Amino acid sequence: ELKVEQNPLFLSMQEGKNYTIYCNYSTTSDRLYWYRQDPGKSLESLFVLLSNGAVKQEGRLMASLDTKARLSTLHITAAVHDLSATYFCAVVSFSGTYKYIFGTGTRLKVLA
Amino acid sequence: DAGITQSPRHKVTETGTPVTLRCHQTENHRYMYWYRQDPGHGLRLIHYSYGVKDTDKGEVSDGYSVSRSKTEDFLLTLESATSSQTSVYFCAISDPGGTGELFFGEGSRLTVL
Repeated sequence: ELKVEQNPLFLSMQEGKNYTIYCNYSTTSDRLYWYRQDPGKSLESLFVLLSNGAVKQEGRLMASLDTKARLSTLHITAAVHDLSATYFCAVVSFSGTYKYIFGTGTRLKVLA
Repeated sequence: DAGITQSPRHKVTETGTPVTLRCHQTENHRYMYWYRQDPGHGLRLIHYSYGVKDTDKGEVSDGYSVSRSKTEDFLLTLESATSSQTSVYFCAISDPGGTGELFFGEGSRLTVL
């Protein structure tokens, strides 16, 4: 059964600093997704990673996927307050049908 | 934005009463999912559907049933609601043949007293 772990669960950081969120998963998959959720809101898609070595960047966020290590990272460069949110990774499990399993989320707070 | 509508958006009910949440999509996606979100647990898969009348269980399916009689509608039913089912419920859709990206509805907040 696919398990997805994220760490850290909570991250408080100063504006301008860099940090990385990690997403580890337990079984083979070559599809991984990152989502952002603001308090009281739904989930918004950030990145779609579909192959080993995939790297996507949008503004101060960069996501990568290493399928051999079963690891994805979400790197934050020079954090700003607007990045404060909860970030989730999701991994696809395929056994005839597609299921998406989520990590527990990383709550990011960027302090001014 | 993907056309996904959840109803009701908010509901308060009493223990033991039946509750049905509806998810409606206009994207013609084959797959539809119901998740619940609770503090400290992230999103947990309840049930999903991979076509009309084709459904399967997720991680936390006990106490829930689903039905999909049309491509566009996926219903989640709590036959006899319990306080442990107080949660925010999200519907999501995907087209695995493409990027497989999940698109979410706005969520339904259910409180069971």
